[in-house]
Amino acid sequence: DIVMTQSPDSLAVSLGERATINCKSSDSVLYSSSSRNYLAWYQQKPGQPPKLLIYWASTRESGVPDRFSGSGSGTDFTLTISSLQAEDVAVYYCQQYYSSPYSFGPGTKLEIK
Amino acid sequence: EVQLVESGGGLVQPGGSLRLSCAASGFTFRNYWMHWVRQAPGKGLVWVSRINSDGSSTNYADSVKGRFSISRDNAKNTLYLQMNSLRAEDTAVYYCARGGTIVRGVITGWFDPWGQGTLVTVSS
Repeated sequence: DIVMTQSPDSLAVSLGERATINCKSSDSVLYSSSSRNYLAWYQQKPGQPPKLLIYWASTRESGVPDRFSGSGSGTDFTLTISSLQAEDVAVYYCQQYYSSPYSFGPGTKLEIK
Repeated sequence: EVQLVESGGGLVQPGGSLRLSCAASGFTFRNYWMHWVRQAPGKGLVWVSRINSDGSSTNYADSVKGRFSISRDNAKNTLYLQMNSLRAEDTAVYYCARGGTIVRGVITGWFDPWGQGTLVTVSS
C-alpha cells in the first residue's frame, strides 16, 4: 500500500504571502507508460466536501485560481499558493490515485497569520 | 450540472446494518468508476471502496473488507454502500465521489465531484 505523508501539519501565513505544502508518497506514483503522476490535491473548508484543485500533480482544475500551483514527480510533491487570500483558509489534502487503496495524506491546516 | 447526492445515513447500534445511496446526475454515470470516502469527526479523509464502471470489479479498504459491499445500478444512476456489522469506529461522514474514466486513451482517476456527504453514527 502507498502511504502519503504531508508537511507541515499546520501553517499560518500572512495575507498576500506564499504558502507551501509538501506531500510525499512511500512509493512512486509516476505511471511510466503515460509519464503522468497520479497525484491530486484537494481543498476542504469547514462543513463542506473536498474540492479538487490539482490533478496529474500539476494540472489546475477548471475554475481554480491561478495562484494555486502543483509541482513534483515520483514521490515528492508540492502545492503552492502564491499569494494567500482569506478564502484560502482550509485543510489541504494530497491523494494518490495510482493504485488501490487510494490513500490520502493526513491534511495540512492553513490559517491566516 | 454534475451532481452527487448521498442518502441513507443515520444512527445505528453496534452490529447493525445500513445502506447508503448516492444519486448521480449531469454526467454519463455508466462511464465512470465511483468511490466512497469517509471522514470521522474532526479527522482526515479515508478511502473506503471503489467500483468500476460496469460493476464487475470492486476494492475495499482493509478496515471494511468483509463487512461493507459496494454496488451500482447504472440504469438508475445510483451507487450504493451496504454496511454490515457496524462498529463505533465506522462513525463518520460518508462521501461518494466520481472517479476515473478514459479520456483520449488515458485512464484518469482523481475524485471529482464529491457529494455533500451523509452522516453515519454507530452508537448504543
